[in-house]
Amino acid sequence: EAGVVQSPRYKIIEKKQPVAFWCNPISGHNTLYWYLQNLGQGPELLIRYENEEAVDDSQLPKDRFSAERLKGVDSTLKIQPAELGDSAVYLCASSLGPNSYNEQFFGPGTRLTVL
Amino acid sequence: GQQLNQSPQSMFIQEGEDVSMNCTSSSIFNTWLWYKQDPGEGPVLLIALYKAGELTSNGRLTAQFGITRKDSFLNISASIPSDVGIYFCAGQLTNAGKSTFGDGTTLTVKP
Repeated sequence: EAGVVQSPRYKIIEKKQPVAFWCNPISGHNTLYWYLQNLGQGPELLIRYENEEAVDDSQLPKDRFSAERLKGVDSTLKIQPAELGDSAVYLCASSLGPNSYNEQFFGPGTRLTVL
Repeated sequence: GQQLNQSPQSMFIQEGEDVSMNCTSSSIFNTWLWYKQDPGEGPVLLIALYKAGELTSNGRLTAQFGITRKDSFLNISASIPSDVGIYFCAGQLTNAGKSTFGDGTTLTVKP
């Protein structure tokens, strides 16, 4: 069975440009997470979806970041406009449900470099 | 917010040696998780702990959920070169759906 798929794997953009990341979770996984991982640090949750509903977006910088999961399957995370400090790895994860007994499976991430 | 302190930050060991790393928190968790992350990949779950005092093994890996629910440790016995990577601890509250991660321990194993 395929794991969590993310694209692109790498993205280099100029500051102030928009960028979008795509995630396809494991089939049947209702819960989808977007994490930000800065160099030398652990992942930090940006947003969690239960099906198509964003149930925890408290850490998402809403002035420039947006996300959607319109049909409750794949998801897109967007940054507009990007800033130098947004350079990081953006990880997507999915699980059957939000309960801690449900393992989160991570994708390989998208490494963003903002110049 | 909740913060996890993970130590040591890095370790350099000889193949065959045992490794121990730990994680402490300023607040309690109901679940402790240990992940390994290889370069260019996402974290992969190694061990999950759900009960204070629980000791769980997965092959050469052993992890324990501290009695106070504010700490956990991971041991790796007889290290091998493929153990190289970054090990993260993470804490969860049962139905919160959110993991709080430590900043990782980078393990280097010399053949």
